[in-house]
Amino acid sequence: SQTIHQWPATLVQPVGSPLSLECTVEGTSNPNLYWYRQAAGRGLQLLFYSVGIGQISSEVPQNLSASRPQDRQFILSSKKLLLSDSGFYLCAWSTGEGSYNEQFFGPGTRLTVL
Amino acid sequence: GESVGLHLPTLSVQEGDNSIINCAYSNSASDYFIWYKQESGKGPQFIIDIRSNMDKRQGQRVTVLLNKTVKHLSLQIAATQPGDSAVYFCAENIPGYALNFGKGTSLLVTP
Repeated sequence: SQTIHQWPATLVQPVGSPLSLECTVEGTSNPNLYWYRQAAGRGLQLLFYSVGIGQISSEVPQNLSASRPQDRQFILSSKKLLLSDSGFYLCAWSTGEGSYNEQFFGPGTRLTVL
Repeated sequence: GESVGLHLPTLSVQEGDNSIINCAYSNSASDYFIWYKQESGKGPQFIIDIRSNMDKRQGQRVTVLLNKTVKHLSLQIAATQPGDSAVYFCAENIPGYALNFGKGTSLLVTP
């Protein structure tokens, strides 16, 4: 069966510090991968998605970046965090086959920037 | 641009009653819809989906209805239980794009 992992589960970082959040998927090959951010009590904002190694599409311009160094690894980074980067970060995957692409979500990372 | 929206941001129901959560979409090209449940501090979990060539689909205690004429989607939960308290999101799949999520409805089940 497929599983998706995210770490760390929680993170408290000072403004201006770097960020690296990691997401890995097991049990599937060549998945589509997604990074979302969710502000408290709000919906899901798509940040990045990837259809393959090294292929990243950005949905929202900001100080975050994403990389996909391996087929089942997706990394969200920042060189300098802002207060507004605080939120709940979710990674998701889908098979990318056909038109019906249910997305499966990871447990999320709660980021607090102070 | 076109978007998915929810009629009510919060819904309070009594335990044992049926719940109905509504969602409106505006993109006629959407061919697939999903309902997710998100409990506090956790990632969204798939509940049920429906393709655009269907108008009803049933799962365990949940039913999704799709009305393409008015571009409306609903999630019905039968005999709502305290464990159903969560935020519910609808999502539409627009071919060639990633899923488009609604803002969510918070369901609160009271004893």
